[in-house]
Amino acid sequence: SQELEQSPQSLIVQEGKNLTINCTSSKTLYGLYWYKQKYGEGLIFLMMLQKGGEEKSHEKITAKLDEKKQQSSLHITASQPSHAGIYLCGAILGHSGYALNFGKGTSLLVTP
Amino acid sequence: SAVISQKPSRDICQRGTSLTIQCQVDSQVTMMFWYRQQPGQSLTLIATANQGSEATYESGFVIDKFPISRPNLTFSTLTVSNMSPEDSSIYLCSVVPGLARHEQYFGPGTRLTVT
Repeated sequence: SQELEQSPQSLIVQEGKNLTINCTSSKTLYGLYWYKQKYGEGLIFLMMLQKGGEEKSHEKITAKLDEKKQQSSLHITASQPSHAGIYLCGAILGHSGYALNFGKGTSLLVTP
Repeated sequence: SAVISQKPSRDICQRGTSLTIQCQVDSQVTMMFWYRQQPGQSLTLIATANQGSEATYESGFVIDKFPISRPNLTFSTLTVSNMSPEDSSIYLCSVVPGLARHEQYFGPGTRLTVT
């Protein structure tokens, strides 16, 4: 079974609208990473969250970590076509090491 | 952040052959990993590349199929041996620059197609 579940699987939003992507873990989180991937390309590091309640922002993208719920949310404000791509959450699920387990990703399309 | 390059960026190979993928980082890093992303799927960890010793493989991946080298703190190679069409994937290396900072950065990937 998938240890990291992302929702929704895909999303189509109109330019200027806000959106939220969720990432839920079935195990304790020791670090939660958000990446963006353009189709067929490498991963762009967005941000990393480690502590419960932590919130970080990168331009118009904000991510929060709810440690109790073992969940993180990624929020994009006033979406733009440049935000389109696949958003992946990755997590350290063991108490040692840095290797990441990944969710299946959320495909985002922003329409004019 | 670390700047990571991979060679080749893409290749088309015949079944039964082998391909070596290189990962070069612009600075010394603590940890290096190799991941695979099969078509339409998310990333799966293949192994941790250990500097100066044998790589640590995840369940389902073996050294004979995916030999890995890491001769120093800035370079690693992954070989995909005796390829079959099922090996068609994007192969990505990633690095953790230091243990005090836990950001993990990925290379641009190598897109492999096996015919």
